[in-house]
Amino acid sequence: DTGVSQDPRHKITKRGQNVTFRCDPISEHNRLYWYRQTLGQGPEFLTYFQNEAQLEKSRLLSDRFSAERPKGSFSTLEIQRTEQGDSAMYLCASSLGFMDREYEQYFGPGTRLTVT
Amino acid sequence: SQQGEEDPQALSIQEGENATMNCSYKTSINNLQWYRQNSGRGLVHLILIRSNEREKHSGRLRVTLDTSKKSSSLLITASRAADTASYFCATAFAQFYFGTGTSLTVIP
Repeated sequence: DTGVSQDPRHKITKRGQNVTFRCDPISEHNRLYWYRQTLGQGPEFLTYFQNEAQLEKSRLLSDRFSAERPKGSFSTLEIQRTEQGDSAMYLCASSLGFMDREYEQYFGPGTRLTVT
Repeated sequence: SQQGEEDPQALSIQEGENATMNCSYKTSINNLQWYRQNSGRGLVHLILIRSNEREKHSGRLRVTLDTSKKSSSLLITASRAADTASYFCATAFAQFYFGTGTSLTVIP
């Protein structure tokens, strides 16, 4: 068990460009979550998957954001036409999908996005 | 948007003292969790309390939950310098909401 990994750790992009982040969850975890965190704030929920199915998506998530988990393992989060307001830390977490353990989330180190 | 709010926003105590932080939330929940985040590091799950529980202990942590008041508290006893971190409550229902966090500083 190597924990949740995210790639890249840092991304600097120009406004208007598309970016894609990857998350590899803990191998036996079937739930995967994406959050966004800005300085001094708590994580803001974006979306989560049970296996390959996207179960919930925040109403705050604009149509520029899309997430996939095609084989129920790793996930990607894509942001199209980035804006300066997208600058944040993007966090991925995973959890087991049964009983209380489904809520015990293990977080990755995050991808810090800077949009210039 | 944040579902929960922690109080106080910042807390500074001497090593060995107890630290209490509170969380209020807005909607129905299945459970409430507390997480810790060290500066520049990832979030770590500390403890989960179900909506039908009133109190739970784990080591030096004690969590209470009052669903009628939509509030929870986290007590850290005999604090250590290593407890210095931000603490967040998180609620789970259809979606997952984290609060705004309490920044705890434990002075050696």
